[in-house]
Amino acid sequence: DSGVTQTPKHLITATGQRVTLRCSPRSGDLSVYWYQQSLDQGLQFLIQYYNGEERAKGNILERFSAQQFPDLHSELNLSSLELGDSALYFCASSVSGTGANVLTFGAGSRLTVL
Amino acid sequence: KNQVEQSPQSLIILEGKNCTLQCNYTVSPFSNLRWYKQDTGRGPVSLTIMTFSENTKSNGRYTATLDADTKQSSLHITASQLSDSASYICVVSARYGGATNKLIFGTGTLLAVQP
Repeated sequence: DSGVTQTPKHLITATGQRVTLRCSPRSGDLSVYWYQQSLDQGLQFLIQYYNGEERAKGNILERFSAQQFPDLHSELNLSSLELGDSALYFCASSVSGTGANVLTFGAGSRLTVL
Repeated sequence: KNQVEQSPQSLIILEGKNCTLQCNYTVSPFSNLRWYKQDTGRGPVSLTIMTFSENTKSNGRYTATLDADTKQSSLHITASQLSDSASYICVVSARYGGATNKLIFGTGTLLAVQP
């Protein structure tokens, strides 16, 4: 157990629907990162939050949004889902928001869009 | 353009053998380099992290090297075990404006250890 908790582990939904993925960072970590990993692809950075504020943005679609709450957990909202959104979504956390520290990853949420 | 390239894409070795994975990068300005192990369907787990001044770092049977001049890193796995079967990802951190770092991920080397 890495200390980073992601729910749900698996999610199956239909095109056009909206889902929310949840992440609780490791105790003491203030920064949360979201990554997407499609089948046989590398990790694609989506967005980073630090202590409740957006710190960096990657290749995140306009249909996707995220936030980090005062208790530091984060949610990734995916809307108007398309088949191509099927992927593993990973959350990672770190102590600082600089990106200089090791990231601790969660076990991921597997999204299947039918 | 900041890039991280890993080779080989995939590798099959017999249990007990050694192997070396390569990572070449063109990231600048360099901050640090990390190796992660990702089991299929699981989250990546950190193996090593090296800064500019470190040229080797070990974690059990894993030894990473860094040549900041040639911008190359390698991950050497000694006496491989079946549990080493995984994707190994090289991640290079670039320092931007102040203390902010940007992480550039390689696409990974898929290692299969066979009995």
